[in-house]
Amino acid sequence: KNQVEQSPQSLIILEGKNCTLQCNYTVSPFSNLRWYKQDTGRGPVSLTIMTFSENTKSNGRYTATLDADTKQSSLHITASQLSDSASYICVVSFNTGGFKTIFGAGTRLFVKA
Amino acid sequence: ETGVTQTPRHLVMGMTNKKSLKCEQHLGHNAMYWYKQSAKKPLELMFVYSLEERVENNSVPSRFSPECPNSSHLFLHLHTLQPEDSALYLCASSQESPSGRPDTQYFGPGTRLTVL
Repeated sequence: KNQVEQSPQSLIILEGKNCTLQCNYTVSPFSNLRWYKQDTGRGPVSLTIMTFSENTKSNGRYTATLDADTKQSSLHITASQLSDSASYICVVSFNTGGFKTIFGAGTRLFVKA
Repeated sequence: ETGVTQTPRHLVMGMTNKKSLKCEQHLGHNAMYWYKQSAKKPLELMFVYSLEERVENNSVPSRFSPECPNSSHLFLHLHTLQPEDSALYLCASSQESPSGRPDTQYFGPGTRLTVL
């Protein structure tokens, strides 16, 4: 069964600390993986997109990694800020005679002062 | 702003009302999407339009009726909704490649719908 699972479900960290969010998937054959940030009451905003051949991609203080062998991705946030408080959604696309996309349930991050 | 706008931002309607959600993208994209986001659940894809043709409909009840008059506009017509249809409805657009491989989607701010 094609699935995308994210962990933890929620996370609380202090401002200035680093954190890592996890995304495990079982889809096959893999096409690409995207991380989105969604502020409360707003639409998701793209952070990174990675294909099979890419194992790391950065966007400012956000760094995504991809291990296509173990089917795992992580999103590392460095020196967190209060504005990083949001939901982070992992999205995986795969091709089975037509492209399909599965959204993870997201990790809710709270950054405290 | 992402270049995708949605109106209204908030909507309260009764089960017998008819209303429409509007989405407009200013990015020159060729694909548009409707998603439903309920509390603590993953985004659910409802409809996909590519080059103004509906290419995907994920078994959505007929009380939701999409319309895509051109590549920049997308509507979601609502009638006889149920309280469980209350959710955040998100519109998105993307530039679909010739291969069809999904690329980054740009989302609007959403319409918060409450059905009484």
